[in-house]
Amino acid sequence: GAVVSQHPSWVICKSGTSVKIECRSLDFQATTMFWYRQFPKQSLMLMATSNEGSKATYEQGVEKDKFLINHASLTLSTLTVTSAHPEDSSFYICSARDAGGPPNSPLHFGNGTRLTVT
Amino acid sequence: DAKTTQPPSMDCAEGRAANLPCNHSTISGNEYVYWYRQIHSQGPQYIIHGLKNNETNEMASLIITEDRKSSTLILPHATLRDTAVYYCIAVEGNSGYALNFGKGTSLLVTP
Repeated sequence: GAVVSQHPSWVICKSGTSVKIECRSLDFQATTMFWYRQFPKQSLMLMATSNEGSKATYEQGVEKDKFLINHASLTLSTLTVTSAHPEDSSFYICSARDAGGPPNSPLHFGNGTRLTVT
Repeated sequence: DAKTTQPPSMDCAEGRAANLPCNHSTISGNEYVYWYRQIHSQGPQYIIHGLKNNETNEMASLIITEDRKSSTLILPHATLRDTAVYYCIAVEGNSGYALNFGKGTSLLVTP
């Protein structure tokens, strides 16, 4: 089955530093990937849509200068949390769909990255 | 996306069938029903999806009513590992769609 790999699975960083999270589709190509964020006891919230070869589109209220997204290839998207602050501590999850599948192909999710900012 | 309504929580005894309902009364003709689950501290796992016909795979069955206003996910023989939050999402199945997650149903499978 389609596998999405996310790295790292957890990271602790100091306030003011930047953290990069990688999302890879292992056995399929993805022209579009999605980044979500989940706070404790809440549901997943879509942050942004990552498009291969073009700029990401961000959901309302998500700062594009703080959450930098790069979709450099058909199998890799990265999310960089810049100048992280404790309120950015959250569970970040990426997802992708097989670009070669039918339009209603399901999204497949990575196992998430637990970010803790101290 | 059509709004979906799910009960916040359900219990099921191990070995029994778990029937998780979802209401999507405003679903449009080209919207699919997708089911995902999230086990604690993991990413969501795809289970099954359908448009109007009932669907079955190795994980579950999806029963969609004829008027498409509701559906039921069936886990035929629930195990403790099926304890998770289950999400029902109705969305147009085109190549660019994202999934917007509601609160889902927290299923607890008990021994």
